[in-house]
Amino acid sequence: QKEVEQNSGPLSVPEGAIASLNCTYSDRGSQSFFWYRQYSGKSPELIMFIYSNGDKEDGRFTAQLNKASQYVSLLIRDSQPSDSATYLCAVLNDYKLSFGAGTTVTVRA
Amino acid sequence: EAGVVQSPRYKIIEKKQPVAFWCNPISGHNTLYWYLQNLGQGPELLIRYENEEAVDDSQLPKDRFSAERLKGVDSTLKIQPAELGDSAVYLCASSLEHRLAGAPGEQFFGPGTRLTVL
Repeated sequence: QKEVEQNSGPLSVPEGAIASLNCTYSDRGSQSFFWYRQYSGKSPELIMFIYSNGDKEDGRFTAQLNKASQYVSLLIRDSQPSDSATYLCAVLNDYKLSFGAGTTVTVRA
Repeated sequence: EAGVVQSPRYKIIEKKQPVAFWCNPISGHNTLYWYLQNLGQGPELLIRYENEEAVDDSQLPKDRFSAERLKGVDSTLKIQPAELGDSAVYLCASSLEHRLAGAPGEQFFGPGTRLTVL
């Protein structure tokens, strides 16, 4: 079992819709959870982080964490063509960051 | 503020040749990471440095890969000899100490070096 698993995608959504990305992790001791965005040919950039159970909102992005279910999600509201990218879920455990394979999102204009 | 700097951006070599990648982290970041990213996959940690000490090199294939961070600032990752399967993007990242970071655990990535082994 991989440490971090994401829904494989690709995910295609119309402009203005909600994109929903899911991630599960295997280590219950994981401390912090991150969502990175990676445009094609570019390096990952952090867009959200969450440490506590519940929701965290930042602009059009909402991260949700459920430690009991070992589940993290990212919602992108009012999706824009500029949101088209690969979204990487990353989990921190003892200073080591483990990444999922990513979910590629395409926003259709 | 300058970001993480890596060079070269692209490298094409024949198999069995040596290759080296260089990274200069963000000023003040004491932790430096080297990752390998294959197409369609997330980054995988190769080695983590705290200042000049390699504190986690468990995923580094030591038969052909080596790394150094002699003065605790910039770092070099070397492959000798390169194999076809080493073709990938090599990413360098850096971070602040957790107690100083706005988002403890956040890592800042450089642009990467795309290696092609023929």
